[in-house]
Amino acid sequence: EAGVAQSPRYKIIEKRQSVAFWCNPISGHATLYWYQQILGQGPKLLIQFQNNGVVDDSQLPKDRFSAERLKGVDSTLKIQPAKLEDSAVYLCASSEDHYGYTFGSGTRLTVV
Amino acid sequence: EDQVTQSPEALRLQEGESSSLNCSYTVSGLRGLFWYRQDPGKGPEFLFTLYSAGEEKEKERLKATLTKKESFLHITAPKPEDSATYLCAVQGGGGADGLTFGKGTHLIIQP
Repeated sequence: EAGVAQSPRYKIIEKRQSVAFWCNPISGHATLYWYQQILGQGPKLLIQFQNNGVVDDSQLPKDRFSAERLKGVDSTLKIQPAKLEDSAVYLCASSEDHYGYTFGSGTRLTVV
Repeated sequence: EDQVTQSPEALRLQEGESSSLNCSYTVSGLRGLFWYRQDPGKGPEFLFTLYSAGEEKEKERLKATLTKKESFLHITAPKPEDSATYLCAVQGGGGADGLTFGKGTHLIIQP
């Protein structure tokens, strides 16, 4: 079974620039999550999708972050404009039954 | 608000030296407590889910236990390849399914 695919693996941008991350979940997984993991911390949920719809985005900084899930499959997370404190690893995870999560390897973002 | 506290933050053991990692939690209506392993540069890898107090699960040298306030991850006779960060997370009783993670325990097993 192929895992959760994410790209790019690394990204370095200047503050105030925009950036986008892409995630392809495991085939057939209806639920998709984006997490932010700051160095030395545990992952923090940003947004949860169920098929095309948003289930929970209460911790997403909506003034600069946006996310969409196309046709209930792939998803993109965008930051515009980026701040220094957005430097982190952005993890995508998918789930078939709301209990078994599979995480991707993440995108490491550095904002300078 | 769900909260997870893990201790110790870091632990260094000799190969074969058994120990336990602690995860204390507060949650409204626990639906599941999760243990993950995370290697540098990789995403978390699923280890166990525990659903109710008294439940135990084992996998190779790892055993997870759960009470109403905390969970323990017991590591028996660890090997250097067990070195990683171990993350604990809870899934609460709200409508969404997102996990609340602790900061993790960074475990180093020396040969």
